[in-house]
Amino acid sequence: EPEVTQTPSHQVTQMGQEVILRCVPISNHLYFYWYRQILGQKVEFLVSFYNNEISEKSEIFDDQFSVERPDGSNFTLKIRSTKLEDSAMYFCASSAGAGGSYEQYFGPGTRLTVT
Amino acid sequence: GNSVTQMEGPVTLSEEAFLTINCTYTATGYPSLFWYVQYPGEGLQLLLKATKADDKGSNKGFEATYRKETTSFHLEKGSVQVSDSAVYFCALANYGGSQGNLIFGKGTKLSVKP
Repeated sequence: EPEVTQTPSHQVTQMGQEVILRCVPISNHLYFYWYRQILGQKVEFLVSFYNNEISEKSEIFDDQFSVERPDGSNFTLKIRSTKLEDSAMYFCASSAGAGGSYEQYFGPGTRLTVT
Repeated sequence: GNSVTQMEGPVTLSEEAFLTINCTYTATGYPSLFWYVQYPGEGLQLLLKATKADDKGSNKGFEATYRKETTSFHLEKGSVQVSDSAVYFCALANYGGSQGNLIFGKGTKLSVKP
C-alpha cells in the first residue's frame, strides 16, 4: 500500500540553525500538508499546499517557515532559524483531493529537537 | 472559531471491556468529523469518518455517530483488544472555501490490559 515517508526520523539542531524536513507524499496525490505536535499537546495545522502554492497557513507558520515542492516528488518544510519552542514532532500529510470524501494520509513524523 | 474537545486520558481498560471516548466540537457550517489513531512509533491513521449529520462511521469494530444536536462524535467499541492500545484523536475539517485542514483534539491514550 502506498505511504507517505518522512526523513529524517529524528533531527537534533542548535538554536538559530536552519533545518529542512523532508516528505515524499503518495505519488498521485495533489494536496499536501504539514502539522506539528509539541510533546503532550494537540496536533496543530501549519500549512496546506496545492498547485505549487500555499493554500492556507496558520498563525504558527510565520516568516521563519517555508515550504517547497522542488522536484515533483519531495515536499519540504524549512525552518530558517530554529527556536527552542520549535521542538516538536512534525507530520507531513497528503490527499488525492480536498473534501470530506478524501482521506489525508500521514507520514510517521520527524521529531525535531532544538537545543 | 473551530475547535475539538475530547476526554482526557489515559484510559486503561481490560480486554473485552466497552470503550467510549467522548468528543465534542465547535464549528461554523457543516464540518466533516474524523477519528484518527496513532499506534506507538507510527503516524496518524484514519480510523473512521462522517461527513454529515446522523452519519455513522465505522471500522475495525469502532463506531462514531455525527450528532449535530449535541455537537458530538463519540468513539465506541463494544469489546476492546490489547492491539487497540494507541492514542486516539478526534478531528474536524471545514471545507467551505478551504482545502480542509484538520483541527485535532488533544488525543486520548488508551491502554488495554490482557
